Amino acid sequence: QQQVKQSPQSLIVQKGGISIINCAYENTAFDYFPWYQQFPGKGPALLIAIRPDVSEKKEGRFTISFNKSAKQFSLHIMDSQPGDSATYFCAASRNNAGNMLTFGGGTRLMVKP
Amino acid sequence: NAGVTQTPKFQVLKTGQSMTLQCAQDMNHNSMYWYRQDPGMGLRLIYYSASEGTTDKGEVPNGYNVSRLNKREFSLRLESAAPSQTSVYFCASSNLNYGYTFGSGTRLTVV
Repeated sequence: QQQVKQSPQSLIVQKGGISIINCAYENTAFDYFPWYQQFPGKGPALLIAIRPDVSEKKEGRFTISFNKSAKQFSLHIMDSQPGDSATYFCAASRNNAGNMLTFGGGTRLMVKP
Repeated sequence: NAGVTQTPKFQVLKTGQSMTLQCAQDMNHNSMYWYRQDPGMGLRLIYYSASEGTTDKGEVPNGYNVSRLNKREFSLRLESAAPSQTSVYFCASSNLNYGYTFGSGTRLTVV
């Protein structure tokens, strides 16, 4: 079963726009929620992460919003740039599960110039 | 500072052949993982090793075996490759409470 559901599968945004990717999880024991960015031919790389004791975390143009009651979290990319074009994965883990991540299905983002 | 190194980068196998995918990390991480990536399926965990000397099955372990050779190295073996194992395989490592560091992947085609 897919414990982390990610949407949309693909997203096209104009340069300067806001990209929004959403994830929903089922397991209330999850307590760590990272986002990974993957460029073609490369492995995923950690972009930003959040723990459920805060509702928002911002790093530069990237923001995670977290809604514990709805079991949802999202990635917002402000002022999207063509260099942000990549596949984005959300993930979740339980601290007492050896940091084992469960990934969403991925979102392919294209930012048009 | 190599991070996580995977070999080979590409491989074509015939159905029934065997092969071992190699992974090594130089970050002194305790935990190591093998994932496969298929279109629309995200990254699915095959096996993981929480620490040297231990291995456990993940979500999709059938058809695979692993060996945690030492703290640095974690290999994935396909004993009898099948077309359904055509995928991109990623090795990753981490310490508790930190994000994963992924290798650059092995693109495997089974014909």
